[in-house]
Amino acid sequence: AQTVTQSQPEMSVQEAETVTLSCTYDTSENNYYLFWYKQPPSRQMILVIRQEAYKQQNATENRFSVNFQKAAKSFSLKISDSQLGDTAMYFCAFMKHEGGSQGNLIFGKGTKLSVKP
Amino acid sequence: ETGVTQTPRHLVMGMTNKKSLKCEQHLGHNAMYWYKQSAKKPLELMFVYSLEERVENNSVPSRFSPECPNSSHLFLHLHTLQPEDSALYLCASSQFPVVNTEAFFGQGTRLTVV
Repeated sequence: AQTVTQSQPEMSVQEAETVTLSCTYDTSENNYYLFWYKQPPSRQMILVIRQEAYKQQNATENRFSVNFQKAAKSFSLKISDSQLGDTAMYFCAFMKHEGGSQGNLIFGKGTKLSVKP
Repeated sequence: ETGVTQTPRHLVMGMTNKKSLKCEQHLGHNAMYWYKQSAKKPLELMFVYSLEERVENNSVPSRFSPECPNSSHLFLHLHTLQPEDSALYLCASSQFPVVNTEAFFGQGTRLTVV
């Protein structure tokens, strides 16, 4: 069975600075996807970034980038130039690449990020 | 406006009540999901419907009964719940079997069982 671990329950960062959220996972699969989702106080889960395990290049979306280390089963999220609107719960998630339903996500417990002015 | 709409946003019910949660997606997706989000626990996948057939049921107690009448609507019928069932229930949708897509989530129903 797959598991996802986020070891930082809470983090804070000053506005405009950079913060890195950690995520590790355990799987015997070779092909899979990894995601970071953001859940603001509105409660809606929003996809931040996605990484395909077969791609060596780290995914980047504007201020968000990942450090994907497949051998170490590590998938950290870096947020650059943090903004107040980045305050939210951040969830790391895993999904097997089996051509099946794309919502079969396995989530970590989340990291609560606070961006301070 | 979100592509996935859940109603009600909040629900308080007694242990002997029967209620239903509703989810509607306007994205043209053909797969829908129920997740349970409890405090201090990871989100747990409860049910998966793909092409209107239930394809996964993660050992969820029978007091939770899903229904998917069409690809746009998903219900979660609740009866004789326990206080530990209090949680945020999230609905999501995606396109099956295209791989390179994401799951879109609703804003959830905050359920309190008293």
